[in-house]
Amino acid sequence: KQEVTQIPAALSVPEGENLVLNCSFTDSAIYNLQWFRQDPGKGLTSLLLIQSSQREQTSGRLNASLDKSSGRSTLYIAASQPGDSATYLCAVSTRSNDYKLSFGAGTTVTVRA
Amino acid sequence: GAGVSQSPSNKVTEKGKDVELRCDPISGHTALYWYRQSLGQGLEFLIYFQGNSAPDKSGLPSDRFSAERTGGSVSTLTIQRTQQEDSAVYLCASSPGLAGPSYEQYFGPGTRLTVT
Repeated sequence: KQEVTQIPAALSVPEGENLVLNCSFTDSAIYNLQWFRQDPGKGLTSLLLIQSSQREQTSGRLNASLDKSSGRSTLYIAASQPGDSATYLCAVSTRSNDYKLSFGAGTTVTVRA
Repeated sequence: GAGVSQSPSNKVTEKGKDVELRCDPISGHTALYWYRQSLGQGLEFLIYFQGNSAPDKSGLPSDRFSAERTGGSVSTLTIQRTQQEDSAVYLCASSPGLAGPSYEQYFGPGTRLTVT
């Protein structure tokens, strides 16, 4: 069974600092990995998707890397802003599992103005 | 285009009542997933549809839970004889499935279910 772990569980940084969020998974035979953002009381917003054949994806201030062999992904958020405050979730899918997502517990980020 | 929609957004029900939760996926998406987010439990998979078929129901927590999908589009999750432990946010996601290259999942806003 795929286990997904996110460290740290919570993070508080001053505005302008770079954020580094970590995700690890136990079964390296993944199909893809998605990073999501969740605001309190809201649904999930997809931030980045990395296919298993890719090493990284970038969107604006966000960059996600994937090391499938070691079972790790890292989400970098540059020059953080108070609007980046949210919970960030990592999820992986596998072909053998009908591509359903296995989620980590999330990292709750607070960016202080 | 329109995203995944879910209704109702909030549902408060008494213990023992039946509830129906609805999901409208993105048009053309063949794959549809239901997940549940409980306090302290994180996000867990419930059921997966490919078209109108449900090849994987392994995440349904009990036989009080059932789901169907009609016309390869709308899906309904039904919980019979609700219990307090059913209180959670129920999230629906759709994906292009076999029609798309990446199987990226797009989530709806969820239905918050409270059983009193």
